[in-house]
Amino acid sequence: NAGVTQTPKFQVLKTGQSMTLQCAQDMNHNSMYWYRQDPGMGLRLIYYSASEGTTDKGEVPNGYNVSRLNKREFSLRLESAAPSQTSVYFCASSEATGTVNEKLFFGSGTQLSVL
Amino acid sequence: RKEVEQDPGPFNVPEGATVAFNCTYSNSASQSFFWYRQDCRKEPKLLMSVYSSGNEDGRFTAQLNRASQYISLLIRDSKLSDSATYLCVVTSSGNTPLVFGKGTRLSVIA
Repeated sequence: NAGVTQTPKFQVLKTGQSMTLQCAQDMNHNSMYWYRQDPGMGLRLIYYSASEGTTDKGEVPNGYNVSRLNKREFSLRLESAAPSQTSVYFCASSEATGTVNEKLFFGSGTQLSVL
Repeated sequence: RKEVEQDPGPFNVPEGATVAFNCTYSNSASQSFFWYRQDCRKEPKLLMSVYSSGNEDGRFTAQLNRASQYISLLIRDSKLSDSATYLCVVTSSGNTPLVFGKGTRLSVIA
């Protein structure tokens, strides 16, 4: 049972380059999330998708776009990478957003460096 | 006031010690509360939910104080393998995503 799979695990970009982080879950979850984690800042929500066909901004959406391709897949795109986007990115999923006892399952993370 | 606040630590304790972390939350309408554990360079994983009556899982005890709006995590007989960052997580309002604290780092020392 793979759970939440995100790719790539590591990526180095030059300023201005674009890239897409891929995420897929096999738990038939409705909700999917993208977080970034920086030292001393904790997990910050970038975007989320409460259901297939919907996406919403989180705390730090600027510089990112997302696509909920289908129920399984939720991608995060950096159109023009900046050094401030150097971070560890986590994808997560849950059965439903905001429900009592909602439990999040995380992918193993992507370490992104923007030079 | 931040929605969820935790003492960042680090808490450095010897093996066998008892250690407790607190977490305060600002939204009195929050319904669900959790502790997640995150090992260095790994993804967060659910440690335990926190129920109104308090709950225990082996050496771990979680409690909720709604009147004072805080939750706590008590670890008894600390093991080296308990070294990690412990994240306090709380529901926000309506159908909105969970809110994470910044985490409390624990180091258990031999």
